[in-house]
Amino acid sequence: QKEVEQDPGPLSVPEGAIVSLNCTYSNSAFQYFMWYRQYSRKGPELLMYTYSSGNKEDGRFTAQVDKSSKYISLFIRDSQPSDSATYLCAMKGGTSYGKLTFGQGTILTVHP
Amino acid sequence: DGGITQSPKYLFRKEGQNVTLSCEQNLNHDAMYWYRQDPGQGLRLIYYSQIVNDFQKGDIAEGYSVSREKKESFPLTVTSAQKNPTAFYLCASLGTGPQNIQYFGAGTRLSVL
Repeated sequence: QKEVEQDPGPLSVPEGAIVSLNCTYSNSAFQYFMWYRQYSRKGPELLMYTYSSGNKEDGRFTAQVDKSSKYISLFIRDSQPSDSATYLCAMKGGTSYGKLTFGQGTILTVHP
Repeated sequence: DGGITQSPKYLFRKEGQNVTLSCEQNLNHDAMYWYRQDPGQGLRLIYYSQIVNDFQKGDIAEGYSVSREKKESFPLTVTSAQKNPTAFYLCASLGTGPQNIQYFGAGTRLSVL
């Protein structure tokens, strides 16, 4: 069983839809949770960073963490064609060298 | 501009050949990482280095080698022992702020001729 499971999709939605992306994890040592966005043939860029259970909002994006269920989500409101990308969840424990464990990535397409 | 530069963008390897991927950063970060990305498998850690002249194996180090002679540079060599090298390779460095965020380069796509 992988430490982090993410539905690879692909996910196709119409413009303006609410998108929900999810990851589950099995390692209780994970304390920090991130969502990266990766456009085709580019490197991932950090979208959201959280470390406590609950919600964190940034514009159209909301990251949700439920440590008791070992479940994290990213919600995208009013999705735009420019949101079309691969979304990767990533997490790490409390060590200082920052090793990340990634989910498989979800391919999202928002069509006009 | 500060950032991470990977080169080349595309690379082709012949059978039995070693190839080296370049990663340079001007962010003054101590820690650097190499990941391999395959479709449907996310990013897998190959090697990482916390400081100059020191590096550790990641989850899939077999068939790869690295060096860290300078803080700014962390080249990755894909050796002939790596039988399935076709993938997208990403280099990252670790920020020094309280969140310890990893920043990525634009990647190198390696294919086998």
